[in-house]
Amino acid sequence: DQQVKQNSPSLSVQEGRISILNCDYTNSMFDYFLWYKKYPAEGPTFLISISSIKDKNEDGRFTVFLNKSAKHLSLHIVPSQPGDSAVYFCAADTGANSKLTFGKGITLSVRP
Amino acid sequence: NAGVTQTPKFRILKIGQSMTLQCTQDMNHNYMYWYRQDPGMGLKLIYYSVGAGITDKGEVPNGYNVSRSTTEDFPLRLELAAPSQTSVYFCASRTGREKLFFGSGTQLSVL
Repeated sequence: DQQVKQNSPSLSVQEGRISILNCDYTNSMFDYFLWYKKYPAEGPTFLISISSIKDKNEDGRFTVFLNKSAKHLSLHIVPSQPGDSAVYFCAADTGANSKLTFGKGITLSVRP
Repeated sequence: NAGVTQTPKFRILKIGQSMTLQCTQDMNHNYMYWYRQDPGMGLKLIYYSVGAGITDKGEVPNGYNVSRSTTEDFPLRLELAAPSQTSVYFCASRTGREKLFFGSGTQLSVL
């Protein structure tokens, strides 16, 4: 049973436009969410997080929105840059045993 | 600051061989994790540890073993390697609910 779902395997956007990456979850016990970025042949690196007590968190070009009633979060990248081309993983945490559950990832391609 | 260090970066095993993937972190993190990444399948948790001497199974523990004798080290042992264990393995660590720091990965092929 996949508790964190990233249903779109890929996304292609033009440089300078907005990228919106979506993530859905099924476990209502998740209360902390993170986004990771991964380049080929490297380990994932942390991008941004959000606690369930918030509905928005910003860090520069990156904003994460959380809709608890819909069990949905999204990552907005504005403006998108070619260097943003990578795989993006959504992850969720219940706090129990500190285990993170990851989605399958979305491959973002930003066209120059 | 080294962070999370994994060795080796690449390895080819024959079916039935055994090996240990090494992982060490220098951030004094309590929590350490082993994930595997298969194409299009995201990151699956193999084993994790909440502190020295304490380990527990994740989603896909079969065929693997771990130990945590020190805070810094969390080796992953593969016994009797099988083709299904061909994957990229990532070690990670964190303190509490803070962000997870990943190593650069070990690409393993079992032929």
